Amino acid sequence: DIVMTQSPDSLAVSLGERATINCKSSQSVLYKSNNKNLLAWYQQKPGQPPKLLIYWASIRESGVPDRFSGSGSGTDFTLTISSLQAEDVAVYYCQQYYSLPTFGQGTKVEIK
Amino acid sequence: EVQLVESGGGLVQPGRSLRLSCTASGFTFGDYPMTWVRQAPGKGLEWVSSIGSKSYAGTTEYAASVKGRFSMSRDEFKSATFLQMNGLKTEDTAVYFCARGGSNSSLRGWGQGTLVTVSS
Repeated sequence: DIVMTQSPDSLAVSLGERATINCKSSQSVLYKSNNKNLLAWYQQKPGQPPKLLIYWASIRESGVPDRFSGSGSGTDFTLTISSLQAEDVAVYYCQQYYSLPTFGQGTKVEIK
Repeated sequence: EVQLVESGGGLVQPGRSLRLSCTASGFTFGDYPMTWVRQAPGKGLEWVSSIGSKSYAGTTEYAASVKGRFSMSRDEFKSATFLQMNGLKTEDTAVYFCARGGSNSSLRGWGQGTLVTVSS
């Protein structure tokens, strides 16, 4: 199995400031036949199901605010919230779908 | 709009069985693979099982933790997918979500989940 490791486990950011979450996979998730990284980011608010934010590592899902962005390739990925809003308080998960899916352990984002 | 509604959860004793259902609407069900993901209380997300689209309905995949005990299927006429869970263990206690997408795609559209509690 591909192990996904997120860092940090939690972070507190002031409103309007940048939040950065890292995700590292135990092996590359770059699918060479189409040069796409098979990695997604999800947001889960308390009592709600996860919501897809980013797929192919950097493509924003329709309707997701542009303050959310994804970057990285191979084994190292980042989710950035450029200007944290109150409604962004949630747990964020990365997920690889290069092989049988696995998720990171989650990163809890709070307001400082 | 993608809508997924899970049902069938509840309290069950260890070793017993339970069948979860997920009814879909708002999209052409047969065109999409489907997936079950679970979340133990206060824990993270764990992929459980995926089934191929109508064209690949025989294709199922399972996490090692449930392989041989759980079985996923789909019914195109009902626009539904099912998770038959046998030999339940206390560690299967979780909210079970169904989602649109397969084992080789992101999961776009999730249900609200159904809680399964395995306890004596």
